[in-house]
Amino acid sequence: GDSVTQMEGPVTLSEEAFLTINCTYTATGYPSLFWYVQYPGEGLQLLLKATKADDKGSNKGFEATYRKETTSFHLEKGSVQVSDSAVYFCALSTDNQGGKLIFGQGTELSVKP
Amino acid sequence: DARVTQTPRHKVTEMGQEVTMRCQPILGHNTVFWYRQTMMQGLELLAYFRNRAPLDDSGMPKDRFSAEMPDATLATLKIQPSEPRDSAVYFCASGWAISGKSTDTQYFGPGTRLTVL
Repeated sequence: GDSVTQMEGPVTLSEEAFLTINCTYTATGYPSLFWYVQYPGEGLQLLLKATKADDKGSNKGFEATYRKETTSFHLEKGSVQVSDSAVYFCALSTDNQGGKLIFGQGTELSVKP
Repeated sequence: DARVTQTPRHKVTEMGQEVTMRCQPILGHNTVFWYRQTMMQGLELLAYFRNRAPLDDSGMPKDRFSAEMPDATLATLKIQPSEPRDSAVYFCASGWAISGKSTDTQYFGPGTRLTVL
């Protein structure tokens, strides 16, 4: 079945460091891909998305490119801030799933001053 | 700023008691999801509705859990009887989808933190 695999956390970085969180997927259809972020004590919120191959989603300095050839959607940010500390979830959705999101296990990011 | 609301935010109860969690989806959204989040299992989809009709509740323990949408502005998740292993954060999310197509974006509520003693 469809699935999402993320790099394991926690990831600890110093402020202004470069961030990459790897995400790969398996899907039978043509998925839309998402990154959601969960700040402590809150629900998930959409960070960015891409709906077709080679699309780049971006928001708040974060970027991810939909790579069909490598079935990947890695999250990157050039310079992280303490306020980026959160749990990041990669997810996919396909038409044949009826709108369900398939989530990865989440990657906790901790940014130190 | 439209948001998904959930009540209660926190619930502590004793084993065997009934628990009802409520969700108000964003006005105009036609799809509502219930998720459970635990440290061990991560995020699990319990059930979801499209235009108030249940589409999939395969993730939900049928013997004790039930989910309904009495109207378009209210979704409920009920546990009866509750057990300590039900302790988790329960999230509701809503979105918009055309029939047969994936939901564009899901908007999550703040969650209900349930503790069953």
